[in-house]
Amino acid sequence: SAVISQKPSRDICQRGTSLTIQCQVDSQVTMMFWYRQQPGQSLTLIATANQGSEATYESGFVIDKFPISRPNLTFSTLTVSNMSPEDSSIYLCSVLDTATDTQYFGPGTRLTVL
Amino acid sequence: GENVEQHPSTLSVQEGDSAVIKCTYSDSASNYFPWYKQELGKGPQLIIDIRSNVGEKKDQRIAVTLNKTAKHFSLHITETQPEDSAVYFCAAFRSSGNTPLVFGKGTRLSVIA
Repeated sequence: SAVISQKPSRDICQRGTSLTIQCQVDSQVTMMFWYRQQPGQSLTLIATANQGSEATYESGFVIDKFPISRPNLTFSTLTVSNMSPEDSSIYLCSVLDTATDTQYFGPGTRLTVL
Repeated sequence: GENVEQHPSTLSVQEGDSAVIKCTYSDSASNYFPWYKQELGKGPQLIIDIRSNVGEKKDQRIAVTLNKTAKHFSLHITETQPEDSAVYFCAAFRSSGNTPLVFGKGTRLSVIA
């Protein structure tokens, strides 16, 4: 199984600022995903981040608001830009093991925007 | 696209009783169905999964059943313990597509001691 770490684990930010979340995996993976989980809700996919190509965003999410980098097969970042209180959520990094179809999740980054 | 419905949204059981969570999916091409457990402040953890060529899978107190014809699958937890209290998510996945899991809305399970 893949072991995923995220930094920071939590943060409190002022509106209008930006936060970059880092995701590190202990093995090389092709497909990485970023999810948002609002309080008491299920997981909503923000984008798919594959190394060597631009991220693919889901409906309702745009690159200007959530720019993503994927410089190699073990690392990705998600930036939440120009934050507002509505961006307060848990942000989760996830990877797909294509050999088993198993998707693993990081511990999440709990973001509070004041 | 795939749509996954999950019921119930909340479930309370007495310690030692069984808990059952049910999910239905819409895409008949989906062929992999994992279940995740999410404890407070943590990311989802895979607890059991089942593939479309299998009807049932068991791992100690946890079992999952799949009915491909009816397009539904269920999680069964027997002899529940307080540490089973968490939010459980079902999901569906199609290996042939380059898309990630589609999740149900989750079930908050409370095991009362």
